[in-house]
Amino acid sequence: KAGVTQTPRYLIKTRGQQVTLSCSPISGHRSVSWYQQTPGQGLQFLFEYFSETQRNKGNFPGRFSGRQFSNSRSEMNVSTLELGDSALYLCASTSSYNEQFFGPGTRLTVL
Amino acid sequence: SQQGEEDPQALSIQEGENATMNCSYKTSINNLQWYRQNSGRGLVHLILIRSNEREKHSGRLRVTLDTSKKSSSLLITASRAADTASYFCATVDRDTGRRALTFGSGTRLQVQP
Repeated sequence: KAGVTQTPRYLIKTRGQQVTLSCSPISGHRSVSWYQQTPGQGLQFLFEYFSETQRNKGNFPGRFSGRQFSNSRSEMNVSTLELGDSALYLCASTSSYNEQFFGPGTRLTVL
Repeated sequence: SQQGEEDPQALSIQEGENATMNCSYKTSINNLQWYRQNSGRGLVHLILIRSNEREKHSGRLRVTLDTSKKSSSLLITASRAADTASYFCATVDRDTGRRALTFGSGTRLQVQP
């Protein structure tokens, strides 16, 4: 099976812009979760989607949002970018055994 | 927020030696997973241990779990230079019912050839 794929791999934006990141889970996995990794805060949970519904949400402002499509692919959007949003954004899909498998991540730099 | 701490924060060993990393967490858990990350890349899933398991093996990896002490350890035997990476433990909180992983702060392992 192909692994989790994320696009784009690298992104450079300026403050105030918005960005959309995409994630395709492992075939057959219906749950997709998003995480943010920064040097200061480490790995933090953003949200989880299952069958097109947001099931869990982490402690992030409303500028961070997401959605999931009927084919389980997911997107996350960050509006009004701030410098502190620079991070590695990781997507994970969950197996029926509750193992979470991660994609390679999208490195976002906000200038 | 971080679930707990990993110990040590950094570890440097010679190729062929064993590496042991420890992880502590704070809540009741359903399972604990270990991941490896090379230089800011994606996380590679290593092993999952359920709360009713005490020990699990996978190749050169051995994981233990002590739920009474809320701690886990990852042992890498006969280490190789390719094992150089950061290692994270992550837990799923049983009481909240959420599937969100809460990560430790990680151990940076350097294996010298």
